[in-house]
Amino acid sequence: DIQMTQSPSPLSASVGDRVTITCRASQSISSWLAWYQQKPGKAPKLLIYKASSLESGVPSRFSGSGSGTEFTLTISSLQPDDFATYYCQQYNSYLFTFGPGTKVDIK
Amino acid sequence: QVQLVESGGGVVQPGRSLRLSCAASRFTFSNYGMHWVRQAPGKGLEWVAVIWYDGTNKYYTDSVKGRFTISRDNSKNTLYLQMNSLRAEDTAVYYCAREKVAGTFYGMDVWGQGTTVTVSS
Repeated sequence: DIQMTQSPSPLSASVGDRVTITCRASQSISSWLAWYQQKPGKAPKLLIYKASSLESGVPSRFSGSGSGTEFTLTISSLQPDDFATYYCQQYNSYLFTFGPGTKVDIK
Repeated sequence: QVQLVESGGGVVQPGRSLRLSCAASRFTFSNYGMHWVRQAPGKGLEWVAVIWYDGTNKYYTDSVKGRFTISRDNSKNTLYLQMNSLRAEDTAVYYCAREKVAGTFYGMDVWGQGTTVTVSS
């Protein structure tokens, strides 16, 4: 089975910072990767699908890139509403594995 | 507004069973694959199971194979998760989620609010 890792965790940042979270897969998953944001007590929210496609309604400060085994989620200018935990999720051979999550907190 | 509402959670003893339901509304349920995802207290997200839009294929994470069964009733717009032989490590909030596009992985774009399952004696 494919294993997912995320770094860094946690991540301390300030409003206005450019933030990059990395997600790595233990083997190639092409572009079958999604990113989610989750706030405490709430369901996850889809941000990015197919590695780099922005979900409708998601602010353009969020972007995704990568393919194969290494992927990144970038927030170009961190806003107060962005302090949350971010998860990547991969799909391969009918299994859908989440990464361990990256909590973005206030520096 | 598109909506998923889970129900059926509760406190159950180890070894017992529980069935979760997820009621879908305001979209054509039979067009979408559906998932169950869980989150243990203070932990990350764990994918549990998926069922194809027509119910023909089902897949599970290893830790629940043989104990959990995902199913759906497209005439009732409802997704189910039958959980047998429950263990303490199954304690979690269980979410149902819709695949953004049937037949390919574009992520899960609609989520329920979650239902809590606690396995304890």
